[in-house]
Amino acid sequence: DQQVKQNSPSLSVQEGRISILNCDYTNSMFDYFLWYKKYPAEGPTFLISISSIKDKNEDGRFTVFLNKSAKHLSLHIVPSQPGDSAVYFCAARHSGNTPLVFGKGTRLSVIA
Amino acid sequence: DTAVSQTPKYLVTQMGNDKSIKCEQNLGHDTMYWYKQDSKKFLKIMFSYNNKELIINETVPNRFSPKSPDKAHLNLHINSLELGDSAVYFCASSQGGARWEDTEAFFGQGTRLTVV
Repeated sequence: DQQVKQNSPSLSVQEGRISILNCDYTNSMFDYFLWYKKYPAEGPTFLISISSIKDKNEDGRFTVFLNKSAKHLSLHIVPSQPGDSAVYFCAARHSGNTPLVFGKGTRLSVIA
Repeated sequence: DTAVSQTPKYLVTQMGNDKSIKCEQNLGHDTMYWYKQDSKKFLKIMFSYNNKELIINETVPNRFSPKSPDKAHLNLHINSLELGDSAVYFCASSQGGARWEDTEAFFGQGTRLTVV
């Protein structure tokens, strides 16, 4: 049972344009949402997060939007850079000491 | 100085063998995890330890036995390895707890296990 879904396995974007990565979740108990970035042969690294009490969080070129009614979140990267090419994982958890539940990941390729 | 380190990075072994993967974190975190990334690329939680105590065991075969000698270490021992155990195993740690600030998990570089 996939509680966190990333339906696009891959995405290609030109350098300088906006990248939009999408994530859907089914568990309405989830309160916290995170995006992780993963390069080959490395572990995932934290990128940006959002609490369910917010609908937007921005950090430099990265913005995460949360639509609780639709159980949907998205990560916007603008402008996209070749160094952003990686696999992006959406993750979520509910309150309490619970582990993160991850999506399958979306491979982003930023073309120069 | 690596925050979460796991060894070895690569492990190739024959079916039926017993192997261990070690993990150490120097972040002072209370909670450590083992995740498995299988061929379908899902990152699935296997175990969660808080202050050396097991708090989550997600229907993992009992051939997998985590050991936490102290809260900075969480090792994974696997008995009687099977072909289906081939995957990348990630160790992670977080402060744990219910606070939003405690949510972020830090990951090790992964151990690619290949069972032949």
